[in-house]
Amino acid sequence: DAKTTQPTSMDCAEGRAANLPCNHSTISGNEYVYWYRQIHSQGPQYIIHGLKNNETNEMASLIITEDRKSSTLILPHATLRDTAVYYCIVRALEGSNFGNEKLTFGTGTRLTIIP
Amino acid sequence: NAGVTQTPKFQVLKTGQSMTLQCAQDMNHNSMYWYRQDPGMGLRLIYYSASEGTTDKGEVPNGYNVSRLNKREFSLRLESAAPSQTSVYFCASSGLAGYTQYFGPGTRLTVL
Repeated sequence: DAKTTQPTSMDCAEGRAANLPCNHSTISGNEYVYWYRQIHSQGPQYIIHGLKNNETNEMASLIITEDRKSSTLILPHATLRDTAVYYCIVRALEGSNFGNEKLTFGTGTRLTIIP
Repeated sequence: NAGVTQTPKFQVLKTGQSMTLQCAQDMNHNSMYWYRQDPGMGLRLIYYSASEGTTDKGEVPNGYNVSRLNKREFSLRLESAAPSQTSVYFCASSGLAGYTQYFGPGTRLTVL
């Protein structure tokens, strides 16, 4: 799986949009970008994933650059409950090969929402 | 749906003791996983089960055994606990191997 680089920490004011960047310059054509978060040592929570098109769900939006070498997770209206460590993970196409079983979590970005 | 549940939430063991961590999912998923997370670190895969009746080693399997009891349940056993196994253990499941994984709340294990 391709390596990802994220800032160690970020702050965001409550009610504002939180934009979390991720660099994945060695991403391959069949690799997806996934985002998970971990709130205060709870189990990681799936947020969103995408291949090359921008994606949006009820939690967040994912913007992937045209060259796919970087992406941004957007939490449109951050709340205090969004304070967490956010992990950007790159992995191969879902179900494409047995052995694609693990998620490789780095150290992530610690996002703090400021009241 | 409860999703993925784990028991116990907390456990303290003495070196050499054994115990089994339980995990169950109600999402009719085929694949299940056990990870450990040490302080300040990312998660590392211990064992996984791609489907009922199969189990395979992950990156840190030494000192652990697993049992896929049925489609819903996947247990992790420590036969002779060591202080190096002090960690938070997470169970996860996914529809199929390689698909999006959903995690349980974790078991915090301390080995003295």
